[in-house]
Amino acid sequence: AQTVTQSQPEMSVQEAETVTLSCTYDTSESDYYLFWYKQPPSRQMILVIRQEAYKQQNATENRFSVNFQKAAKSFSLKISDSQLGDAAMYFCAYTNAGKSTFGDGTTLTVKP
Amino acid sequence: DTGVSQNPRHKITKRGQNVTFRCDPISEHNRLYWYRQTLGQGPEFLTYFQNEAQLEKSRLLSDRFSAERPKGSFSTLEIQRTEQGDSAMYLCASSPFREGLTDTQYFGPGTRLTVL
Repeated sequence: AQTVTQSQPEMSVQEAETVTLSCTYDTSESDYYLFWYKQPPSRQMILVIRQEAYKQQNATENRFSVNFQKAAKSFSLKISDSQLGDAAMYFCAYTNAGKSTFGDGTTLTVKP
Repeated sequence: DTGVSQNPRHKITKRGQNVTFRCDPISEHNRLYWYRQTLGQGPEFLTYFQNEAQLEKSRLLSDRFSAERPKGSFSTLEIQRTEQGDSAMYLCASSPFREGLTDTQYFGPGTRLTVL
């Protein structure tokens, strides 16, 4: 069974600084997708960024970028120039053949 | 572009009662997913549909849980004889699945179930 591990239950960052959230996963598949989702308090899950496993190039979306290491099964999220609105729970997700497995999340606090 | 909608947003019920939740996916999304999320945890996969066909069902989904997606549009999730352990947020997501393209899921706001 696939597992997704987010080893940092909580992280904090100063506004305008950079923070990296960690995610590792376990799979025997070679073709899959990885995602980071953001869930603000009492609000719905929002897609932040996605990565196809067959692509070597790391995905980037504005201030968000990933470091995808397929051999190490690692998929970290870097948030640059952190903003107060980035405060939320962040979930890493693995998807293969329609089924998704999520980590338990990292709560990010942004300090003004 | 209308997002995924879920109704009701909140449901309080007594143990032993049946409840039904509805999910309306993004128009033309052919895949629809149900998840359960408890406080402080990530979503747990329950089941998913491609059009009207239920393609996979988690072992978490006991016989008391059933999901349908008639005509491949909206979906319902029913829980029979609710138990206190069923208290959770039930999330629905949809995706515009195509072979060879990234299967990106878009989530609804969820239905929060409280079983007393």
